[in-house]
Amino acid sequence: NAGVTQTPKFQVLKTGQSMTLQCAQDMNHEYMSWYRQDPGMGLRLIHYSVGAGITDQGEVPNGYNVSRSTTEDFPLRLLSAAPSQTSVYFCASSPRVGAVRFPQHFGDGTRLSIL
Amino acid sequence: AQSVTQLGSHVSVSEGALVLLRCNYSSSVPPYLFWYVQYPNQGLQLLLKYTSAATLVKGINGFEAEFKKSETSFHLTKPSAHMSDAAEYFCAVSAGGSSFNKFYFGSGTKLNVKP
Repeated sequence: NAGVTQTPKFQVLKTGQSMTLQCAQDMNHEYMSWYRQDPGMGLRLIHYSVGAGITDQGEVPNGYNVSRSTTEDFPLRLLSAAPSQTSVYFCASSPRVGAVRFPQHFGDGTRLSIL
Repeated sequence: AQSVTQLGSHVSVSEGALVLLRCNYSSSVPPYLFWYVQYPNQGLQLLLKYTSAATLVKGINGFEAEFKKSETSFHLTKPSAHMSDAAEYFCAVSAGGSSFNKFYFGSGTKLNVKP
């Protein structure tokens, strides 16, 4: 059971380039979310999805797009990379159980540097 | 609005000593509270959660936390530190409901365990 798989693990981009961070889960979880982690700031929510075809913005959505065509996959797209997007990105998934929504399973992260 | 404050970005204890990591929250509604642990180069793992049941919550690896409404606190403790506890710990708060955008992380506390 792989859990939440993120690819790539490391990436260096030039300013203005675009790329897609991949996230896949094999637990049939309805809820998936993307966070960025910056030193001294904890994790901040970028986008989330409550099921295939349904996405919504989080706290810091600017410069990022998402889509959810299947339950398993939730890719994050950087449209035009900027140095401020240098960060560690985490994908998380959660089952639809209980009244409280919280990220339950995390991937190992993608470390992204924008030059 | 909800937020969490973690007092002390770095905490150092000796092996076998008490671990106390502080978390205070602000919430306009009764909160749900969480502690996560992050080991180097890994994603976050859920340690424990408070969802309005017993105020003393036991988690994995011998950790526990107590919800104190009068102090708006949810401090994490462990009676005896082990070298393997060295990691970064995040407190998080949710106002509940079906939306992930009501979930907020603190800035984290790095725990160092000295031999």
